[in-house]
Amino acid sequence: EVQLVESGGGLVQPGRSLRLSCAASGFTFDDYAMHWVRQAPGKGLEWVSGISWNSGSIGYADSVKGRFTISRDNAKNSLYLQMNSLRAEDTALYYCAKEALMVQGVGFDYWGQGTLVTVSS
Amino acid sequence: QSALTQPPSASGSPGQSVTISCTGTSSDVGGYNYVSWYQQHPGKAPKLMIYEVSKRPSGVPDRFSGSKSGNTASLTVSGLQAEDEADYYCSSYAGSNNLYVFGTGTKVTVL
Repeated sequence: EVQLVESGGGLVQPGRSLRLSCAASGFTFDDYAMHWVRQAPGKGLEWVSGISWNSGSIGYADSVKGRFTISRDNAKNSLYLQMNSLRAEDTALYYCAKEALMVQGVGFDYWGQGTLVTVSS
Repeated sequence: QSALTQPPSASGSPGQSVTISCTGTSSDVGGYNYVSWYQQHPGKAPKLMIYEVSKRPSGVPDRFSGSKSGNTASLTVSGLQAEDEADYYCSSYAGSNNLYVFGTGTKVTVL
């Protein structure tokens, strides 16, 4: 059974940093690209960042480029998101999501339950 | 990276059909056959319903179908059931560097 379990969320002051983690199990982690998708309270989904299976291809939404860094450790079946210079508008539930096929661009077939990040003074 | 445009709401009676549109540009929806659709019930994670424009993952009822014409994709839910009441989001691949864009979301109500 595929499982994605996010952790690391919490309350943080504007301008500070936070690191999210996603522990994956139930599939061959290093075969698939992985992504972070967020959802602000009462709002829609926003793709944040994605990383290919071998970390050779990485992308970011314009809203987080230069502030967030995605990474993965295939030996630990884990995905990370380092978030720096956090802003109030980064407040959201952050989901870890798995690429559906071993081809980038298809979509996300498994999602975690999310970890809540609240940026407030 | 502008969000894809979806109608805010759609509705239908049980047994009827509802179609949701998703309009993008030639840089996303129109440029790739990589449109996906997600169903999200309140307080739950999104669920993949359609990928590659019209393919259904295992376990998704064939009442759900997808299509695309030019820069607009569509999701049709036939034979509406109470459990289909949810928010629906489209998404499209938008090029290299793993760029994705989501739609604005549509709330489907079963009357």
